[in-house]
Amino acid sequence: EAQVTQNPRYLITVTGKKLTVTCSQNMNHEYMSWYRQDPGLGLRQIYYSMNVEVTDKGDVPEGYKVSRKEKRNFPLILESPSPNQTSLYFCASSRTGTYAGEQYFGPGTRLTVT
Amino acid sequence: SQQGEEDPQALSIQEGENATMNCSYKTSINNLQWYRQNSGRGLVHLILIRSNEREKHSGRLRVTLDTSKKSSSLLITASRAADTASYFCSPMDSSYKLIFGSGTRLLVRP
Repeated sequence: EAQVTQNPRYLITVTGKKLTVTCSQNMNHEYMSWYRQDPGLGLRQIYYSMNVEVTDKGDVPEGYKVSRKEKRNFPLILESPSPNQTSLYFCASSRTGTYAGEQYFGPGTRLTVT
Repeated sequence: SQQGEEDPQALSIQEGENATMNCSYKTSINNLQWYRQNSGRGLVHLILIRSNEREKHSGRLRVTLDTSKKSSSLLITASRAADTASYFCSPMDSSYKLIFGSGTRLLVRP
């Protein structure tokens, strides 16, 4: 089954404790991205990757890191989480082209930073 | 990158009625996509309309695009309780950055 998976689905952590949220897709998609969703603010793109070893900042990259060592994986790293990073996070992928195409979203990771 | 602005923010209708939601954007696009999100879940792609198309259908969904007005509309006909969700538009230009607005929250009452 074609899908985007994220782990963990729920995470409660404390300020400053490094964490990684994994994202994996099995559709051989080139484009992958991370979003955060906050009430009243819609979905905002954090980082995106057009292919292996190619990443770029979205609209809200501060406090986050990503890597794209393999085509299928695109982990999101919070080196020193803070309470303002409490949010619902989504990973997405698309086949790509000359622009980001139809996005396939993961189920989401609900992160709480205390 | 650009953001689509959905309107209205919230819509409540009776089952069987039609639901119309609108999207406006600011600059020229290659295509525009509509997504649905059930509470707390990931977005699901509904339909894509290219900039040279004016109307597109998919089942009970009808999407229109007016590039001169920089607007699109999504019509859901004969709505069902299962259509209750948030709906987002995503105007796509040539960049790889994507922004989604706050969406339209649709409630279909049984």
